[in-house]
Amino acid sequence: QKEVEQDPGPLSVPEGAIVSLNCTYSNSAFQYFMWYRQYSRKGPELLMYTYSSGNKEDGRFTAQVDKSSKYISLFIRDSQPSDSATYLCAMSVRGKSTFGDGTTLTVKP
Amino acid sequence: DTAVSQTPKYLVTQMGNDKSIKCEQNLGHDTMYWYKQDSKKFLKIMFSYNNKELIINETVPNRFSPKSPDKAHLNLHINSLELGDSAVYFCASSQDPTRGGLPAANYGYTFGSGTRLTVV
Repeated sequence: QKEVEQDPGPLSVPEGAIVSLNCTYSNSAFQYFMWYRQYSRKGPELLMYTYSSGNKEDGRFTAQVDKSSKYISLFIRDSQPSDSATYLCAMSVRGKSTFGDGTTLTVKP
Repeated sequence: DTAVSQTPKYLVTQMGNDKSIKCEQNLGHDTMYWYKQDSKKFLKIMFSYNNKELIINETVPNRFSPKSPDKAHLNLHINSLELGDSAVYFCASSQDPTRGGLPAANYGYTFGSGTRLTVV
């Protein structure tokens, strides 16, 4: 069993839709929870980060962590074509980050 | 002002050759990493160096040898290249993740733009 499981996608939504991206994990030692966005032929870039259960909001993006259920989500409101990318969840402990397999999102105008 | 730069961006080479990929970061980070991303976008850690010291060495064939001449540079040398080595290799850097008390964002990685290796 993988330590981090990510909903595989791909996802295709119309512009303006609310998008939900989800990951589950099995290692209760994970301390930090992150979301990266990767555009085609580019490196991943850090989008959101948190270390506690609850919600964290940044513009149209909300990261949600539920440590009791070992579940994290990224919500994108009012999705735009420029949000089309692969989204990777990542979790880290003691210097090592483990990534989900990524969910490819396409937002159609 | 590229934060993490890798060279080359593209590398096409024949089986059996030896090749190197170079990485440099100008962020003042203590820790650098090599990740391999396969065609299905799965990112798998290969190595991690903290202040020139190897701290993570995942199960990687010993044909792969990292070298860190200083904490701003981490190179990857690959001997006797095989078809299965074809992938995108990403270099990344971060603050020392074992140092506590930092804001969570400091533990995030800054990635380079990748080196697309094709072995023919």
